[in-house]
Amino acid sequence: QSALTQPASVSGSPGQSITISCTGTSSDVGAYNYVSWYQQHPGKAPKLIIFDVNDRPSGVSSRFSGSKSGNTASLTISGLQAEDEADYYCSSYRSISTPEGVFGTGTKVTVL
Amino acid sequence: QLQLQESGPGLVKPSETLSLTCIVSGGSITTGTHYWGWIRQPPGKGLEWIGSFFYGGIFYYTPSLKSRVAISVDTSQNQFSLKVSSLTAADTGVYYCGRHDSSWYVDYWGQGTLVTVSS
Repeated sequence: QSALTQPASVSGSPGQSITISCTGTSSDVGAYNYVSWYQQHPGKAPKLIIFDVNDRPSGVSSRFSGSKSGNTASLTISGLQAEDEADYYCSSYRSISTPEGVFGTGTKVTVL
Repeated sequence: QLQLQESGPGLVKPSETLSLTCIVSGGSITTGTHYWGWIRQPPGKGLEWIGSFFYGGIFYYTPSLKSRVAISVDTSQNQFSLKVSSLTAADTGVYYCGRHDSSWYVDYWGQGTLVTVSS
């Protein structure tokens, strides 16, 4: 199971915008609009913040937005806040032999 | 409100089989609208899918783990279980159960349970 590729770390100052990339292949990110993003604080379970590329679950801040171009998906956090400091994971649906999910390598976001 | 809760041993020995259970409350695993699955996270590392099922007998397993894992379902108790055989230290980590959509996004997660493989 080849993981999707994310930068190990991204940082920004409060109020700034940051973008996290998630690179897959033409068998997963590039093939389906089924990319999701998760926020994980230390010691906690992941929390869904974006699904189906750019949809937000109820209750998730509009400061989080998603997009996709080709085999690369992106998560943008605007108006960065201290509480946004966490690990972020992308995920995609993939169906080569059988349906499956694949996660990204994870990105640590630091608020300076 | 849907809730999922993992349970199982915190410590298991190498070469043995791990058994975990996910108890679901606030919703039924038999509605046939969502998938239910297992995800794990080694210490300090990223998330990894293990496998999922859809009520009615459809099971999916991550190819790299397929030979060692099995998911079973107990509809009378509204719970599902995971078995991982031939354990090694590489199987150490937090194991999560969750509910996911057909597009494979997990909208409900359990709190996770830490499993350590050590003699």
